[in-house]
Amino acid sequence: GAVVSQHPSWVICKSGTSVKIECRSLDFQATTMFWYRQFPKQSLMLMATSNEGSKATYEQGVEKDKFLINHASLTLSTLTVTSAHPEDSSFYICSASRQGIAKNIQYFGAGTRLSVL
Amino acid sequence: AQKITQTQPGMFVQEKEAVTLDCTYDTSDPSYGLFWYKQPSSGEMIFLIYQGSYDQQNATEGRYSLNFQKARKSANLVISASQLGDSAMYFCAMREGRGNQGGKLIFGQGTELSVKP
Repeated sequence: GAVVSQHPSWVICKSGTSVKIECRSLDFQATTMFWYRQFPKQSLMLMATSNEGSKATYEQGVEKDKFLINHASLTLSTLTVTSAHPEDSSFYICSASRQGIAKNIQYFGAGTRLSVL
Repeated sequence: AQKITQTQPGMFVQEKEAVTLDCTYDTSDPSYGLFWYKQPSSGEMIFLIYQGSYDQQNATEGRYSLNFQKARKSANLVISASQLGDSAMYFCAMREGRGNQGGKLIFGQGTELSVKP
C-alpha cells in the first residue's frame, strides 16, 4: 500500500499558541488529502478536504480560521491549529488518495496527538 | 440518518477462530465503494479491504474477506484464523460516487475486537 507520513506524532503546547501538522504522501502524488479529528473511543470526523492548488473545503461546523489548511504541492498538506485551546486537544489524522483510480483508496498517516495545556 | 452502521461496539473471539464484523450502509448512489480499516491502539488507520458497488465477487485479501450483500446493503468483514495481533478497532467506511472522482469517506462507529489466547 501507499505510504503517508504525518508529523509530528504528538505535540504539547500552551494555550494560545499555534501548531502545524504536516501530511506527506511519500510514494505517490496526492491530488486530494483529507483531515480528520478523532476523540477517544469515537469514530473519525472529517474536518476538511484539501485539494492541491485550491482552497480547502470545510465540513459544517468546522472553523476555517481556526483550522488552516494548505495543500501547496502534490505531496504535502498542512493543518495549522491557530490559537489552540484545551478543547482543541484531540487526535488529528490525515489521509491521501490518488484520483483517476477506480478504487481510490485513502491511505492514512499515523496521526498526531495534540494536547493543549 | 446514519449512512454507515456498525452495531457491535465490542466483540470477542478465540485465537484461531473466525469472526464476522457487521456493517450496513445506506445510499441511493448506484456507484459507491466500501472499505474496512483497522486501528490499533497506536492510532494509525490501516487499510484492509475494498469492495466496489459494481464488483461481482466478494473481495478477499489474505485472511480478510468482505461478505458483500448488495440487496441487504451489508458489507460484513470476515477475519479467518484470528491472531492476537488482530485485537484493534475496526471501522467500516463508504465513499459515494465513482472512485476516480474523489470523494470523502463516511465512517461507522467502529467495533472493538479482542482476540483471546
